[in-house]
Amino acid sequence: KNEVEQSPQNLTAQEGEFITINCSYSVGISALHWLQQHPGGGIVSLFMLSSGKKKHGRLIATINIQEKHSSLHITASHPRDSAVYICAVGWWGKLQFGAGTQVVVTP
Amino acid sequence: GAVVSQHPSRVICKSGTSVKIECRSLDFQATTMFWYRQFPKQSLMLMATSNEGSKATYEQGVEKDKFLINHASLTLSTLTVTSAHPEDSSFYICSAREATQPQHFGDGTRLSIL
Repeated sequence: KNEVEQSPQNLTAQEGEFITINCSYSVGISALHWLQQHPGGGIVSLFMLSSGKKKHGRLIATINIQEKHSSLHITASHPRDSAVYICAVGWWGKLQFGAGTQVVVTP
Repeated sequence: GAVVSQHPSRVICKSGTSVKIECRSLDFQATTMFWYRQFPKQSLMLMATSNEGSKATYEQGVEKDKFLINHASLTLSTLTVTSAHPEDSSFYICSAREATQPQHFGDGTRLSIL
């Protein structure tokens, strides 16, 4: 069983819709990361969280340490948001990755 | 922002050859670099962690003689896949960080062994 579980595996949304991706983990962590992987494979780090909530543009990430759960929200989604979103949990640098959520935003 | 450059982005070679992949931090000192492998439709898996000037630490199941990692400077780490075989075909990606800062990822290298 993967120690980092993401849901849903796949998500299709219409442009403008609000998107939520969930991540649950079962290990102790020092930080949780949300990453974005585009079709070519390159990875962009979106957020690193150890508590609370962070916002960057249309992206919001929250974490509940007690419940070992994090969510990534995309507001007013756009086709350019189409990518694989990956949750990764870390213990002082070493990361364990979720399987990723494939997001497709249609015009 | 911090940039990590990985080269080459794609390589195709014959079975039995060795392939070297470079990972460079362009505007920060990468005290730690990580090498990951990703098979199609699967999660990234950590292969090894390297700290500048010391031997890499390999994850369980990763052959250190097969995947040679060198982190000789604060801006460069290399991964050499020795005597590559078709089962080594995968997407390899590095990340780098300075001290306890967040990791920054390279764009990855797609390796295809014929």
